[in-house]
Amino acid sequence: DGGITQSPKYLFRKEGQNVTLSCEQNLNHDAMYWYRQDPGQGLRLIYYSQIVNDFQKGDIAEGYSVSREKKESFPLTVTSAQKNPTAFYLCASSIQTSGNHEQYFGPGTRLTVT
Amino acid sequence: KQEVTQIPAALSVPEGENLVLNCSFTDSAIYNLQWFRQDPGKGLTSLLLIQSSQREQTSGRLNASLDKSSGRSTLYIAASQPGDSATYLCAGYFNDYKLSFGAGTTVTVRA
Repeated sequence: DGGITQSPKYLFRKEGQNVTLSCEQNLNHDAMYWYRQDPGQGLRLIYYSQIVNDFQKGDIAEGYSVSREKKESFPLTVTSAQKNPTAFYLCASSIQTSGNHEQYFGPGTRLTVT
Repeated sequence: KQEVTQIPAALSVPEGENLVLNCSFTDSAIYNLQWFRQDPGKGLTSLLLIQSSQREQTSGRLNASLDKSSGRSTLYIAASQPGDSATYLCAGYFNDYKLSFGAGTTVTVRA
């Protein structure tokens, strides 16, 4: 089955620890994205990648880092510098980043930092 | 910065009634608009994608329209069912190659 997988579904961490969220896709898409969702708000873009070994900051990149070493993988690290890391994190992919292409989403990872 | 607004934030209708969900945006230079469904604690499922050159898209009981001049899109769901209960989000692709999302409308269909 083609799709996007995110793991784990739930993640709990202590304040001050870095944590890495996994995102894998087998859709052969060039573009991948990370969004953050908070209650009552729309999704906000953290980082996006148009191609392997390339990525750009989105609207709220501070306190986050990413890598894109393989086409199918786009892991997100939430660092201790992120002031309010507790949120629902969603990964997405599309054929390209141009506006004609539909984005497909993974099931999400809920991160709780205490 | 593009803004996408969805009003109301929540909507409750009896089963069988047609649903009308609204989405407005501030930038008429839109490449496409996507409607998504999100169930509680889940990811987003794409429902319909409307290209800027199109005025509407249909899939089964769903129909979405796009009016660039007025900055509006509407999602119609015919003959609503309890299984349609979910949050519906619209998102626009503007000239910066990023999707901008509305906050969503949470729909409850009462049996």
